[in-house]
Amino acid sequence: AQSVTQPDARVTVSEGASLQLRCKYSYSGTPYLFWYVQYPRQGLQLLLKYYSGDPVVQGVNGFEAEFSKSNSSFHLRKASVHWSDSAVYFCAQSNMGYKLTFGTGTSLLVDP
Amino acid sequence: NSKVIQTPRYLVKGQGQKAKMRCIPEKGHPVVFWYQQNKNNEFKFLINFQNQEVLQQIDMTEKRFSAECPSNSPCSLEIQSSEAGDSALYLCASSQQNSGNTLYFGEGSRLIVV
Repeated sequence: AQSVTQPDARVTVSEGASLQLRCKYSYSGTPYLFWYVQYPRQGLQLLLKYYSGDPVVQGVNGFEAEFSKSNSSFHLRKASVHWSDSAVYFCAQSNMGYKLTFGTGTSLLVDP
Repeated sequence: NSKVIQTPRYLVKGQGQKAKMRCIPEKGHPVVFWYQQNKNNEFKFLINFQNQEVLQQIDMTEKRFSAECPSNSPCSLEIQSSEAGDSALYLCASSQQNSGNTLYFGEGSRLIVV
């Protein structure tokens, strides 16, 4: 069965610091991979996605993610976080079957 | 701002009451999904449609959940007899065909069963 693991339930960083949120997926092939963000009392917003090509993909608001087949990982990064980046971040995968499988999220708190 | 429109944003129901949520997918997106997000941020896929036809769905053996996407009307998800465990955020998403499975989500309908 497919699964997505986000090992860090909560991450706290200072404003202006760099950020990495970890994501591991399980799938023998190359799945579609996504990062979504959820702000309080809102739905999910797409940050970026990957299927093939350059393993580093750029997203919105300065976010990027790097795909690693050898590590089965798709970590999210940002060079300098802002207080408004405080939210819950979800990694998700799909194997072309339409359904997304989500991790349980990482809650990011940016100290101003 | 989300182009997938979900109503209502909040609904409070007593146990045993019916709960109905609606979703208007993004224009031009024929595929619609319903997910349930619980308080532990666990997502449960419920059902998806392509146009009006069901593509995949969970085993709704309890038969309390039903969903439809009629033509020229909002899609809907209905819980016939709400239970406390149904309290969750219900997310609707839509997708283009052959879009790399990118789902675009609405703001969600938060159901509280008291």
